[in-house]
Amino acid sequence: DAGVIQSPRHEVTEMGQEVTLRCKPISGHNSLFWYRQTMMRGLELLIYFNNNVPIDDSGMPEDRFSAKMPNASFSTLKIQPSEPRDSAVYFCASSLAASRLQYFGPGTRLTVT
Amino acid sequence: EDQVTQSPEALRLQEGESSSLNCSYTVSGLRGLFWYRQDPGKGPEFLFTLYSAGEEKEKERLKATLTKKESFLHITAPKPEDSATYLCAVQASAGGTSYGKLTFGQGTILTVHP
Repeated sequence: DAGVIQSPRHEVTEMGQEVTLRCKPISGHNSLFWYRQTMMRGLELLIYFNNNVPIDDSGMPEDRFSAKMPNASFSTLKIQPSEPRDSAVYFCASSLAASRLQYFGPGTRLTVT
Repeated sequence: EDQVTQSPEALRLQEGESSSLNCSYTVSGLRGLFWYRQDPGKGPEFLFTLYSAGEEKEKERLKATLTKKESFLHITAPKPEDSATYLCAVQASAGGTSYGKLTFGQGTILTVHP
């Protein structure tokens, strides 16, 4: 059974460019989470969706970040415009319900030069 | 605000040398405490969930315990393949928009030398 799928696995872009990260959750999971991991701040929750609806976006750092979940099998995290401080590993996780065990994807390593 | 502190930041062990990792937490009502393992270049992989003080869970060479203020991950006779970053996270009780939210510690980087 496929786990959480993320693409691309690596992204290198220049400051000011738009970046879109993609996530396919595990089939049947109703909750989806976007995290960011850096050496300085560790693993931080950016936003979480329940049944495709954004429930908690208090972790989104600023208006340059946006996330969507148009259907139960796909979500995107967009950064526009990107800045060097956005360089990090971005993880997507899904769970059967918000309170249940979260399964993480392999992550997207983003480098903004 | 929920907080999780892990210690030590890094731990080097010889193969077979048992030790423990610590996770101290403050949370407004604990629903669950989670331990994850993360290998370089990969996402966190679930190990254990603990729900109440006094609970213990074991898996191979790992044993997790929980008190009202902290959790320990005991590693007995570790092997080089146990080398990884171990992450601890807390999940608050139901209520409000933070329900389901995991608050992670910074992790402990474990290196086991042969």
